[in-house]
Amino acid sequence: QKEVEQNSGPLSVPEGAIASLNCTYSDRGSQSFFWYRQYSGKSPELIMFIYSNGDKEDGRFTAQLNKASQYVSLLIRDSQPSDSATYLCAFWRGGATNKLIFGTGTLLAVQP
Amino acid sequence: GAVVSQHPSRVICKSGTSVKIECRSLDFQATTMFWYRQFPKQSLMLMATSNEGSKATYEQGVEKDKFLINHASLTLSTLTVTSAHPEDSSFYICSASTGIQETQYFGPGTRLLVL
Repeated sequence: QKEVEQNSGPLSVPEGAIASLNCTYSDRGSQSFFWYRQYSGKSPELIMFIYSNGDKEDGRFTAQLNKASQYVSLLIRDSQPSDSATYLCAFWRGGATNKLIFGTGTLLAVQP
Repeated sequence: GAVVSQHPSRVICKSGTSVKIECRSLDFQATTMFWYRQFPKQSLMLMATSNEGSKATYEQGVEKDKFLINHASLTLSTLTVTSAHPEDSSFYICSASTGIQETQYFGPGTRLLVL
């Protein structure tokens, strides 16, 4: 089982719609979760981080965390063509090997 | 805030030469910096973690004598690719954080092409 699983996509949504990106993780001890956006040929940029169960909203973005189900998601409201990118889910794996574990990313395509 | 820069953004070198890449945190003190490599259409691969003033911790399979990392100050880490070969051609990205399990902020990346 992969430590972080994401659907590679592409996820295609029309402009103005809600894009829903999902991620599951295997480490029950994880406390910190992150969503990054990566445009083609560019480095990742932080969208949001979430530590607590429930929802966290920032502008058009909402992150949702359910630790019992080991599930984190990112909702993008009023999707714009400029949101088209690969979205990476990540969590901190603690213990002896402290590092950020990334999913392979979901490619989002927002159609004008 | 939380800006990380990398220099150079792009480098082309001949096989056998060494290349140094700098990573700087511009507006915060980065006690921990990370170096990643990304090949086309693939995921980010962590190469090493470095803490200011101590030796870097390398991931399995990453040659520490080939990829030299120095984290001499709270705002600067360098990665030197020694005796570069064409298979080292990749997108090298650093990130910086104020500590383990804190948010990582990524630099813009350095594209290395070894001829």
